[in-house]
Amino acid sequence: DAGVIQSPRHEVTEMGQEVTLRCKPISGHNSLFWYRQTMMRGLELLIYFNNNVPIDDSGMPEDRFSAKMPNASFSTLKIQPSEPRDSAVYFCASSPGTGAGTDTQYFGPGTRLTVL
Amino acid sequence: AQKITQTQPGMFVQEKEAVTLDCTYDTSDQSYGLFWYKQPSSGEMIFLIYQGSYDEQNATEGRYSLNFQKARKSANLVISASQLGDSAMYFCAMRETNTGNQFYFGTGTSLTVIP
Repeated sequence: DAGVIQSPRHEVTEMGQEVTLRCKPISGHNSLFWYRQTMMRGLELLIYFNNNVPIDDSGMPEDRFSAKMPNASFSTLKIQPSEPRDSAVYFCASSPGTGAGTDTQYFGPGTRLTVL
Repeated sequence: AQKITQTQPGMFVQEKEAVTLDCTYDTSDQSYGLFWYKQPSSGEMIFLIYQGSYDEQNATEGRYSLNFQKARKSANLVISASQLGDSAMYFCAMRETNTGNQFYFGTGTSLTVIP
């Protein structure tokens, strides 16, 4: 079975440009998470969705960040305009979302974003 | 307060030896899950092992075992017979069943296996 798919794997852009990161969760998973990882701040939860509905976006750093999940098999994280401090690895993860204690998150390979 | 605390920023272990990575957690919920992930230098996050709060036995997965001490709120990862490929960052995480599907991650422990 395919795991969580993220694209692109690497993105280099210039400050001020719009960046769109994409994620396809594992089929049948109902919860989707976006994380950001940097050396300074570690792994941060940005936003998560249950059944395509955003549940908690308190981790989204600024209005420049937005996330959508138009259907169960696709989500985007958009940064507009991008800034150098947005440089990080962005992970998407999904979990079955059954509410059971065994609900495990499975991570995608990440997108390494560099904003010049 | 931190939900997950990993107090060892870095650890070293000799190849073939066992190593324990510490994790303590903070929750008032009775039902929760504890998880460990491995992040090698290639960057992916790999799920290793799960322990439920009601599980009476410690979880084991191959060379990985979770030393679960509920009263002390600790969930230490034990890696037996360390291999060079075990060198990586290790993250402890918790999910509180009654507060949705959000995971709380620790800051990680960097493990280096010495040949």
